Amino acid sequence: ILNVEQSPQSLHVQEGDSTNFTCSFPSSNFYALHWYRWETAKSPEALFVMTLNGDEKKKGRISATLNTKEGYSYLYIKGSQPEDSATYLCAFRLYGQNFVFGPGTRLSVLP
Amino acid sequence: GAVVSQHPSRVICKSGTSVKIECRSLDFQATTMFWYRQFPKQSLMLMATSNEGSKATYEQGVEKDKFLINHASLTLSTLTVTSAHPEDSSFYICSARGGGTPSTYEQYFGPGTRLTVT
Repeated sequence: ILNVEQSPQSLHVQEGDSTNFTCSFPSSNFYALHWYRWETAKSPEALFVMTLNGDEKKKGRISATLNTKEGYSYLYIKGSQPEDSATYLCAFRLYGQNFVFGPGTRLSVLP
Repeated sequence: GAVVSQHPSRVICKSGTSVKIECRSLDFQATTMFWYRQFPKQSLMLMATSNEGSKATYEQGVEKDKFLINHASLTLSTLTVTSAHPEDSSFYICSARGGGTPSTYEQYFGPGTRLTVT
């Protein structure tokens, strides 16, 4: 059974702070890593899909890096805003296999 | 674009009854849809993969006779929880496979359905 871990489970930051959290996954037979942003009562929203070791993706104040050799991805948020409050999910895929999700990191940005 | 709706958002039913949940892709055609279940503080767990016009593929440990999946059109998949029991109470969420290469395709999610069986 594949195991995808995310840390921390939850965190609170002040508005304007930058923050980051981690997704850990099996390093062998890597195919793709996805990040989603999930606000309460809404649909999870795709942020990034990453496939290559060393990939770095950016969308506004959010960016992500990928290290497939050691099996982790970091998600960074620069200058957090209250609207960034959400659960951030990562999902890992092997070739020809379905998504395996981590449990998520719940971020609360305090004004 | 790539909007997926799910209905109902919440449902409470009595033990022994059946509940149907609908998942629709609103602005694109989805040959493949996925059904997930999430228990509190746990990850989304894939229950089954639904392919238009063919039988669903269920994950190990998911009873196909209990969780009936129908994907009769390119925009609609339904999950029916038959003879529901309190242990079936959970959050159910669907997704539809978007376009893209095998390595980069995305899943577009519905907002989920909270099922409570009393």
